[in-house]
Amino acid sequence: RKEVEQDPGPFNVPEGATVAFNCTYSNSASQSFFWYRQDCRKEPKLLMSVYSSGNEDGRFTAQLNRASQYISLLIRDSKLSDSATYLCVVNSGYALNFGKGTSLLVTP
Amino acid sequence: DAGVIQSPRHEVTEMGQEVTLRCKPISGHNSLFWYRQTMMRGLELLIYFNNNVPIDDSGMPEDRFSAKMPNASFSTLKIQPSEPRDSAVYFCASSSRGGQGMDTQYFGPGTRLTVL
Repeated sequence: RKEVEQDPGPFNVPEGATVAFNCTYSNSASQSFFWYRQDCRKEPKLLMSVYSSGNEDGRFTAQLNRASQYISLLIRDSKLSDSATYLCVVNSGYALNFGKGTSLLVTP
Repeated sequence: DAGVIQSPRHEVTEMGQEVTLRCKPISGHNSLFWYRQTMMRGLELLIYFNNNVPIDDSGMPEDRFSAKMPNASFSTLKIQPSEPRDSAVYFCASSSRGGQGMDTQYFGPGTRLTVL
């Protein structure tokens, strides 16, 4: 079983919609959590860190549930430019474990 | 401000040939990572260097793969001999702090390798 599991999607949503992604992780000792964004044929880039208390960055909200070992990302008022693959990332020690990503397509 | 630099960006080679991928981390970063990304397996860590020393190479698929970091500003990943199943995108990433409480990893643009 992979350490980080995500629904691969694709999620097809209209502009302005709210969309949520979840991911689960298997290592209860994991310490740090992130969402990365990867555009087609590009490198992954950090979108936001995920804190235990939950955190918000503009239209993006990330939450962590340690008891259930899952992480969520909520995107409000989605834009065409939000179309990308969203990678859930869990850090245990020095290693970053990446989920395979959830594909989002925002349509006009 | 230059990010992580990788070369070549694309490489097409024939089975059995040697392939060398190059990476220049962000200046001042002391941790360097090599990843491989495929559709089937996603992003996988191959090897991690801290202060130029290989800390964990458990992700290196087999003896055909080797990586070096002769100094703080340069690393190579070599595949010899290459096989079609090595076809993937290889990313190099660097961060300013390794170990517990790792800092953000910054990825290079990747090398898209095709082995025929």
